[in-house]
Amino acid sequence: KAGVTQTPRYLIKTRGQQVTLSCSPISGHRSVSWYQQTPGQGLQFLFEYFSETQRNKGNFPGRFSGRQFSNSRSEMNVSTLELGDSALYLCASSSGGGASDLYGYTFGSGTRLTVV
Amino acid sequence: SQQGEEDPQALSIQEGENATMNCSYKTSINNLQWYRQNSGRGLVHLILIRSNEREKHSGRLRVTLDTSKKSSSLLITASRAADTASYFCAAPRDYGNKLVFGAGTILRVKS
Repeated sequence: KAGVTQTPRYLIKTRGQQVTLSCSPISGHRSVSWYQQTPGQGLQFLFEYFSETQRNKGNFPGRFSGRQFSNSRSEMNVSTLELGDSALYLCASSSGGGASDLYGYTFGSGTRLTVV
Repeated sequence: SQQGEEDPQALSIQEGENATMNCSYKTSINNLQWYRQNSGRGLVHLILIRSNEREKHSGRLRVTLDTSKKSSSLLITASRAADTASYFCAAPRDYGNKLVFGAGTILRVKS
């Protein structure tokens, strides 16, 4: 079956702009979570959605937001981009219901965002 | 904040040698997961060990967990050049809805 698909793979934006990243989870998976990876801070949890509801949110400013659609696809949006938002953004899916405690998560290849 | 620390930060070995990476964590866990990342791409789930397990094997991978010391280790036996990657341990928090990652170990296997 198809894996987790993230689009676009690469993105270059200017400070002050906004950006939307997309993640399509594995078919049948209802949980999608997002992570930011930078050399300085490592892998940081952004938020997690399950059945269109945000269940958990990390310590990021309100400029970072997300949503999940009825088909489980998820988007994250970053408004008023700052240079420090340059990072690899990863999404991960699981079927939910505790499955991640048995099987872990499946990650996408990520979106590399560069803010100039 | 990260759940734990991994050591070493970087490891360079010859093909055929074994590689051992360690992970320490701060709070009680339900399970510990190990992931591999090649060249800044996505993470690949390698193995999951539950808190009531002490050791687990998967192919050339062996993971141990010591909950009394709050530590885990990942052993890759007979390493190959293709094992060159970053390796992360991660623990689920908040009812498993998020993973908290360690800083990772960069493994380089020289052929």
